[in-house]
Amino acid sequence: QVQLVQSGAEVKRPGASVKVSCKASGYTFTSHYIHWVRQAPGQGLEWMGIINVSAYSTSYAQKFQGRVTMTTDASTSTVYMEVSRLRSEDTAVYYCAREIKHVGNADAFDIWGQGTMVTVSS
Amino acid sequence: EIVMTQSPATLSVSPGERATLSCRASQSVYSNLAWYQQKPGQAPRLLVYGASTRATGIPARFSGSGSGTEFTLTISSLQSEDFALYYCQQYNNWPPITFGQGTRLEIK
Repeated sequence: QVQLVQSGAEVKRPGASVKVSCKASGYTFTSHYIHWVRQAPGQGLEWMGIINVSAYSTSYAQKFQGRVTMTTDASTSTVYMEVSRLRSEDTAVYYCAREIKHVGNADAFDIWGQGTMVTVSS
Repeated sequence: EIVMTQSPATLSVSPGERATLSCRASQSVYSNLAWYQQKPGQAPRLLVYGASTRATGIPARFSGSGSGTEFTLTISSLQSEDFALYYCQQYNNWPPITFGQGTRLEIK
């Protein structure tokens, strides 16, 4: 079945980096864009950015510019999201999500990963 | 950045009753609006996209309406499994794609 499976929970020190993976299966990987969304404990959903997995292009929320990098490995149908210079406020569940289709504009997210908890603590 | 405002923050409704959730955009997003349901410890689930199109497998009791800046998600007859958090999302003007702050639907 169509699914996105993310890597496991991480605990990091402030100032460190974390790289979360999101492996797609059950569909043609290059046919759908992937987004990353995070959710701090007890808070709402925050969009981080998008990657076009066929063109290797990205667009990030201004808040994360310079600190977040999204990459893809088409050979393994995997997308990666790295956050550098971590701080306590980055403690959150990080989700990858598949966009339904991208024809001229963005679209809703029909498939989500299970989430990866990243804890930043000294 | 488009700000999405959901109301109410919490909605208390009895099982079998109708629930109406609202979402307002700070500027027109046309019909580029989605609704998601989230239960504790789970990822969000897509309910409605394009303001009114139900996602695959979503029961007919869920319906979305609206365009421009005012949107509504209606759940016609609440089932026990419907009590959850609901988020609206605009994907018309980005970056960034933005979400509302959520409406908690609780049992009355």
